[in-house]
Amino acid sequence: DQQVKQNSPSLSVQEGRISILNCDYTNSMFDYFLWYKKYPAEGPTFLISISSIKDKNEDGRFTVFLNKSAKHLSLHIVPSQPGDSAVYFCAATYSGNTGKLIFGQGTTLQVKP
Amino acid sequence: DAGITQSPRHKVTETGTPVTLRCHQTENHRYMYWYRQDPGHGLRLIHYSYGVKDTDKGEVSDGYSVSRSKTEDFLLTLESATSSQTSVYFCAISEPGPNYNEQFFGPGTRLTVL
Repeated sequence: DQQVKQNSPSLSVQEGRISILNCDYTNSMFDYFLWYKKYPAEGPTFLISISSIKDKNEDGRFTVFLNKSAKHLSLHIVPSQPGDSAVYFCAATYSGNTGKLIFGQGTTLQVKP
Repeated sequence: DAGITQSPRHKVTETGTPVTLRCHQTENHRYMYWYRQDPGHGLRLIHYSYGVKDTDKGEVSDGYSVSRSKTEDFLLTLESATSSQTSVYFCAISEPGPNYNEQFFGPGTRLTVL
């Protein structure tokens, strides 16, 4: 039972354009969501997060939107750069879960020069 | 970067042999986690620890055991490796506090079981 789903295995965008990565979840208890970026042969690195009390969080070129009624979150990257090419994982957890994260399957983003 | 190392970084072993992977941190973080990454599954939690000698199972714990005798070290053991345990294994750490959900990951260990 996949509680966190990233239904697009891959995404290709042109440099300078917007990249939108999507994530859906099923567990209503989730109240904290994170995005991680992973380059080949490296561990994932934390990118941005959002609490369920917010519907938007922004950090530079990265913005995460949360739609609780639809159980959907998205990561926007504007403008996209070739160095953003990586696998992006969304993850979710809830208070009292000892920080245990439930990850989606990942989306491979390719930003073309 | 958080001080997390994993050893070995690569290992090839045969079915039925025991394997131990080591995670070492220099951050003095209380929580430590072991994940495996497989195509189509993302990262799945194997075991985690919330303190020395305090460990618990994650969603894919069958065939794995862990030990944590020191704050800085978290060992993952495959008692009798199987081909289904061929994967990339990541260790992660976090610290109780306002950002405890934000885990820092090690570089990973690629394990191949023949």
